[in-house]
Amino acid sequence: SQQGEEDPQALSIQEGENATMNCSYKTSINNLQWYRQNSGRGLVHLILIRSNEREKHSGRLRVTLDTSKKSSSLLITASRAADTASYFCATDFQGAQKLVFGQGTRLTINP
Amino acid sequence: NAGVMQNPRHLVRRRGQEARLRCSPMKGHSHVYWYRQLPEEGLKFMVYLQKENIIDESGMPKERFSAEFPKEGPSILRIQQVVRGDSAAYFCASSPPSVSYEQYFGPGTRLTVT
Repeated sequence: SQQGEEDPQALSIQEGENATMNCSYKTSINNLQWYRQNSGRGLVHLILIRSNEREKHSGRLRVTLDTSKKSSSLLITASRAADTASYFCATDFQGAQKLVFGQGTRLTINP
Repeated sequence: NAGVMQNPRHLVRRRGQEARLRCSPMKGHSHVYWYRQLPEEGLKFMVYLQKENIIDESGMPKERFSAEFPKEGPSILRIQQVVRGDSAAYFCASSPPSVSYEQYFGPGTRLTVT
């Protein structure tokens, strides 16, 4: 099965609330990245966290990484309608250059 | 600095025709990656190329698919004798030589096979 799996598959919240998405992976990694994809568009890189880091912030985004549990979470605080998109985690697979993506979380922010 | 460029953005082909997808990496990037995304799914790695070399094609179907990245010009993903199951979004990404995990994605080509 896939290296990365996101949960939940879909999430719908009210504007202003916080959104949390989780990602689990199976093998050891060097880094983990989160991407956003708006409907019908390409991927936008959000944040990268290295395997020796536990937490990273970027604006309203907070990413955590727990290598012992092989999991990561993405928190979006004070959500906005423009945050409506699919969010994917991606890991390097056993140090190879290719990225392995999960199936994504579809986030809907209701005004 | 222009981002990764892909063309065409949309491509419609009948079954049995050939599809050619082009990708121009970001300036200064010499590594190119192709990914395929089926509806409601994540991206799946297909192939990784450097100039004039295929480095990893472990995600490429064994038949009908080929990729190249010539010394001059864009990278090309070629699908011969397309079938309905090839309908998908194909994304190209590029990275600088020293930081292969920092991949910048193009807008994708949406292939529809009728």
